[in-house]
Amino acid sequence: DAKTTQPNSMESNEEEPVHLPCNHSTISGTDYIHWYRQLPSQGPEYVIHGLTSNVNNRMASLAIAEDRKSSTLILHRATLRDAAVYYCILRTLSGGSNYKLTFGKGTLLTVNP
Amino acid sequence: DVKVTQSSRYLVKRTGEKVFLECVQDMDHENMFWYRQDPGLGLRLIYFSYDVKMKEKGDIPEGYSVSREKKERFSLILESASTNQTSMYLCASSFGTGGRIGYGYTFGSGTRLTVV
Repeated sequence: DAKTTQPNSMESNEEEPVHLPCNHSTISGTDYIHWYRQLPSQGPEYVIHGLTSNVNNRMASLAIAEDRKSSTLILHRATLRDAAVYYCILRTLSGGSNYKLTFGKGTLLTVNP
Repeated sequence: DVKVTQSSRYLVKRTGEKVFLECVQDMDHENMFWYRQDPGLGLRLIYFSYDVKMKEKGDIPEGYSVSREKKERFSLILESASTNQTSMYLCASSFGTGGRIGYGYTFGSGTRLTVV
């Protein structure tokens, strides 16, 4: 399975932008880039996904490099509630047309008041 | 609000017991998944199912089996629980493919299983 590489941890200050990087140099043409986050004592929650173009939603933005070998999750104004582990994941094809997610260890984001 | 519900938040079982972890989703999702999460190892996929009565092994299926008799329910079975299966277990569901690739996965809140 194609793998992702993320920093173990990052720190940010409240109300400042945060850029969370992810490398996925072995990505294939059918792999979507997904981001999830996991708040303490909860299951992961979906944040955003993309294939080739940059994407925006109410939670975040996703910037994808032209060669697709890296991407960046952007939180425009971090809040204390954004403190979580952020996972960059490739949604890979597994058997016919079925997809699965393979999680790495993620980036622990600390947000300082 | 759409939901993935796991039957127990905390569970304590004895070594050798047969353990059932239940997961129910109300979103009519085709795909369902079981992960376990351990400190330092992240989330690892145990089994997943893309249709009723269908199952596929994930990355760490040893010591586990699954059952999917109805679309909304996916059960994880520990045939003979061992202490190394003490972990947080997370269930997730998603739409299948065929035009709905854009949807993300929805996770339950997890079951913390302790085997003593």
